[in-house]
Amino acid sequence: GAGVSQSPRYKVAKRGQDVALRCDPISGHVSLFWYQQALGQGPEFLTYFQNEAQLDKSGLPSDRFFAERPEGSVSTLKIQRTQQEDSAVYLCASNSGANSNYGYTFGSGTRLTVV
Amino acid sequence: AQSVTQLGSHVSVSEGALVLLRCNYSSSVPPYLFWYVQYPNQGLQLLLKYTSAATLVKGINGFEAEFKKSETSFHLTKPSAHMSDAAEYFCAVSDRAAGNKLTFGGGTRVLVKP
Repeated sequence: GAGVSQSPRYKVAKRGQDVALRCDPISGHVSLFWYQQALGQGPEFLTYFQNEAQLDKSGLPSDRFFAERPEGSVSTLKIQRTQQEDSAVYLCASNSGANSNYGYTFGSGTRLTVV
Repeated sequence: AQSVTQLGSHVSVSEGALVLLRCNYSSSVPPYLFWYVQYPNQGLQLLLKYTSAATLVKGINGFEAEFKKSETSFHLTKPSAHMSDAAEYFCAVSDRAAGNKLTFGGGTRVLVKP
């Protein structure tokens, strides 16, 4: 596709509900990143894939967060038993190479509100 | 660990005036540095990047930034603000030693007064 596509754009979840957020990166992009952006703050790194391999998941805040990219293209970020502190915008970004010299292309994000 | 500090969470400028957004970084290795802009309810758009070539980097929409190693700074400027520049701006450093992930500053929101 022409850009990074994320769905849904908005998600309201009741506390304790499981959610799944989808990212469609630019076709052929090797690297894929997930970031969490709380209100009024800069994005914070969650996890990184190179093709289907999850090379870094050091930013995932708890074991309730899980990400996958089974075929090296579409990625899903899953949050189990959502809590209010999970409310944020979740941004996906992709990069054509393994070297960040290229600069990332970000999607428009999924705004998650946990009530 | 790398970090980015953006001085001033809000900046107000008059239309036609200079825009100056400050960014200081810390990095144990020569950094790659980025400026992104975020409009309401949108993702981040790359304005410009420094990747160890020229220290003065020109980007889109008339923005430029200068890498100063001695000051560990990468300030963003635009000579003449336009109403369309009202947005939030993020400085980021790439951690090439740890998977190329970006570390962002807290952001600076720019308000442009007519």
